[in-house]
Amino acid sequence: QVQLQESGPGLVKPSETLSLTCAVSGYAINSGYYWGWIRQPPGKGLEWIGSIFHGGNIFYNLSLKSRVTISVDTSKNQLSLRLISVTAADTAVYFCARGGWNDPLSLTYWGQGTLVTVSS
Amino acid sequence: QSVLTQPPSVSAAPGQRVTISCSGSSSNIGINFVSWYQALPGTAPKLLIFENDKRPSGIPDRFSGSKSGTSATLGITGLQTGDEADYYCGTWDSSLTTGEFGGGTKLTVL
Repeated sequence: QVQLQESGPGLVKPSETLSLTCAVSGYAINSGYYWGWIRQPPGKGLEWIGSIFHGGNIFYNLSLKSRVTISVDTSKNQLSLRLISVTAADTAVYFCARGGWNDPLSLTYWGQGTLVTVSS
Repeated sequence: QSVLTQPPSVSAAPGQRVTISCSGSSSNIGINFVSWYQALPGTAPKLLIFENDKRPSGIPDRFSGSKSGTSATLGITGLQTGDEADYYCGTWDSSLTTGEFGGGTKLTVL
């Protein structure tokens, strides 16, 4: 059973850096599939943040590309998200998820999500 | 502004059938797989359909997906009050090399 669990600070100050980790159990990240981050601002729709393929290719949302970094720590079997220079517009529930082998948007397994609020 | 267009809302009576459309372009839906998700408040989205028309294990056959050209459709038959949720389509855009979600459709079961 593949399980994902996000963790990180629930409150980040404006202009600072948002850092989240996603612990994966039941499957080794470096064995395959796309792995990604998605967010949902309060009252709004889903927004794809980025995806990483087990071979190392990483793709980012163009509107976030200058501020976001997604990485994998295979020794800990976890996925990470780093978003710099945050503003209130980055307040959202952040999800990590496993995509398909060939399709990043076939997101079968999801974490429960973690709310990150950007506020001073 | 999403590159995938969904109607903001649809509604139907219990037991009836409803369809939700997702319109894209030749660089996304036209050449890539479409997925559909059900999102309930306070929970992670659930994958209903992947690769245009396939259902993951555990998803009832009341849910179906299809794709034609640059549009995709989610169909739900035998509507239940528990189906009230937001529904999202998702696909890859090969020109942008980005993942894309539609704006979401709120389903109301009257």
